Amino acid sequence: DGGITQSPKYLFRKEGQNVTLSCEQNLNHDAMYWYRQDPGQGLRLIYYSQIVNDFQKGDIAEGYSVSREKKESFPLTVTSAQKNPTAFYLCASSILGKETQYFGPGTRLLVL
Amino acid sequence: DAKTTQPPSMDCAEGRAANLPCNHSTISGNEYVYWYRQIHSQGPQYIIHGLKNNETNEMASLIITEDRKSSTLILPHATLRDTAVYYCIVRGSSWRGGSQGNLIFGKGTKLSVKP
Repeated sequence: DGGITQSPKYLFRKEGQNVTLSCEQNLNHDAMYWYRQDPGQGLRLIYYSQIVNDFQKGDIAEGYSVSREKKESFPLTVTSAQKNPTAFYLCASSILGKETQYFGPGTRLLVL
Repeated sequence: DAKTTQPPSMDCAEGRAANLPCNHSTISGNEYVYWYRQIHSQGPQYIIHGLKNNETNEMASLIITEDRKSSTLILPHATLRDTAVYYCIVRGSSWRGGSQGNLIFGKGTKLSVKP
């Protein structure tokens, strides 16, 4: 089955620690996105990528980093510079030029 | 991007039609109306989208008014599994890059389907 997978489902971070969230898709989509969702709120864009080895900052990129070495993969690193990392993180992908985005199941990050 | 306005919550009886309204009075001519839903603690799920004609698929129907300033998502026979937050989004049809490339999710409408 084609789709987007995110792992892990839950992730715990200690103060000052970097953590990496995985996002993989086998839909052959060019574009991939990372969003953050806080309780009771909508989604906010962190980073997006339209093509391998290229990515752009979204609205709240500070304290995050990404890479796009393969078309299928778009990992997000939450660095120690992100002072309020506790949130639900969602990865999505789309065909370039098409607005319909398909989302993964999400990763919930909690700070210990 | 045009902003959308949705009621914060709605109830619907199981088996009945759920009609979810959305106002988008500042929509421009090339902007589509998209609907997504998010079941608790899951990723958003695409439902349907349209430009000006009414659309129907296996999940729902989308009715867009002639002036395109509002639309209604219709779930014809709501089930308990349709309980979710429903988001109405308007987006242009071409990729523009930058932060304009993302879907802007507001707070949506929390639909509760009751037995």
